[in-house]
Amino acid sequence: DAGVIQSPRHEVTEMGQEVTLRCKPISGHNSLFWYRQTMMRGLELLIYFNNNVPIDDSGMPEDRFSAKMPNASFSTLKIQPSEPRDSAVYFCASTPLSSWQRWSNYGYTFGSGTRLTVV
Amino acid sequence: RKEVEQDPGPFNVPEGATVAFNCTYSNSASQSFFWYRQDCRKEPKLLMSVYSSGNEDGRFTAQLNRASQYISLLIRDSKLSDSATYLCVVSMGFSGGYNKLIFGAGTRLAVHP
Repeated sequence: DAGVIQSPRHEVTEMGQEVTLRCKPISGHNSLFWYRQTMMRGLELLIYFNNNVPIDDSGMPEDRFSAKMPNASFSTLKIQPSEPRDSAVYFCASTPLSSWQRWSNYGYTFGSGTRLTVV
Repeated sequence: RKEVEQDPGPFNVPEGATVAFNCTYSNSASQSFFWYRQDCRKEPKLLMSVYSSGNEDGRFTAQLNRASQYISLLIRDSKLSDSATYLCVVSMGFSGGYNKLIFGAGTRLAVHP
């Protein structure tokens, strides 16, 4: 099992540029999550997909952020235009089930993250 | 009030010590509870689930007190390799029967020789 795969690992970009982060969940996992982690705010849930459909995007900071999941094996998180305050580590995570009854035996599997620096 | 609150630490302990972390959560309807471990500059990884009756995995013991909305993690015989940040995680249900996991900010543990 290759795990959750994220790319790129590191991204440095200038303010105002578009940034696209990519994620491939574990095969067979039907729930996918994008998180952002900073020292000040910890891990924040940005958006949650179930069976490729966005279920909860209440954590998306503003219209500059958008996320898509065109199929079960790929998701993107786009920031346009990027700002210095977007600098953070962005994690993608997946889990096999959406039913809460089984969640006591499952957590999420996280990818290695994308470290984004906007200068 | 934060949904999941933890003492940020750091907890600095010698090898072999016993250390306990606590966590409180605000949503009384939460159903699932976990402890995750995150090493420096790495992704969080599931350490263990937390069950109502309490559960143990080797040197690690997790307890849940639903009445007090309190979760704990006890580490016995600390090893240098236990140095990491420990994240308390709680499920939160929302409309449509879905759940999402809410992460605490973490408690940092440093085990020294």
